[in-house]
Amino acid sequence: DIVMTQSPLSLPVTPGEPASISCRSSQSLLYSNGYNYVNWYLQRPGQSPQLLVYLTSNRASGVPDRFSGSGSGTDFTLKISRVEAEDVGVYYCMQPLQIPWTFGQGTKVEIK
Amino acid sequence: QVQLQESGPGLVKSSETLSLTCTVSGGLNSDYYWGWIRQSPGKGVEWIGCIHYSGITYYNPSLESRVTISKDTSKNQYSLKMTSVTTADTAVYYCARERRDGTNWVDSWGQGTQVTVSS
Repeated sequence: DIVMTQSPLSLPVTPGEPASISCRSSQSLLYSNGYNYVNWYLQRPGQSPQLLVYLTSNRASGVPDRFSGSGSGTDFTLKISRVEAEDVGVYYCMQPLQIPWTFGQGTKVEIK
Repeated sequence: QVQLQESGPGLVKSSETLSLTCTVSGGLNSDYYWGWIRQSPGKGVEWIGCIHYSGITYYNPSLESRVTISKDTSKNQYSLKMTSVTTADTAVYYCARERRDGTNWVDSWGQGTQVTVSS
C-alpha cells in the first residue's frame, strides 16, 4: 500500500494568517498522463469529509480560492492563504492512484 | 446534488457479519463507482471497496477475504457485508461516491453510521 504521511499533525492558526500542510507519499504519485494523483479533504467537526482539491492543484466546485494545492512526485502541499474561522477541522491528503486508495493521518487545524 | 444515506445495525457481535446498506438519491449513476470508507481512531480513514453499475468491484486487499459489496439498482441501493468481525472493525462507516475516469476522487459522502463490534 502507498503510505501517506502528513505534517504537522496539529496546526494552531491565527485568522487572516496563512497556513500550510505537507503530505509525503511512499511512492511517486505521478502517472503517465502527467498528473499527480493527490486529493485533499476537509472534515469539519461533526461532518463527513468534503473534497477540496483533486489532481494536486484543482479546486473542487465551490471551494474558495484561498485554498491551493501544489507538489509533484512524492511531496505535496495544501496552502490556505488567509485562514478563516470556518476552515477549522481535520485535513486529509489521499492518493487515488493505486488500489487501495489511502489517506494520510490527518492534520487538525484549530484557531489559536 | 446526490445524497447518500447509510443504514444498518449499530451494534454487531464479534465473529458475526456486519451488514450495511446505502440508499442513493437519484439512483446508481453509471458514471460513478459506489464505495465504502470507514474511519476509526486507531486506523484513521480506510478505503474498503467499491462497485460500479456494471457490477465491477474493487476491494482493499487487506479486507477482501471478508468483504462483499453488492447492489440493487431497482432500489437505488448498494450494500456492504463484512464477515467475521472483531473489535478492530469498530468504526464510523461511510458510503461514498467515487469517480474513476482519470480524475479519481471521492466527491460525495453519506453522513456516516457508527458500528460498534462487541466482544
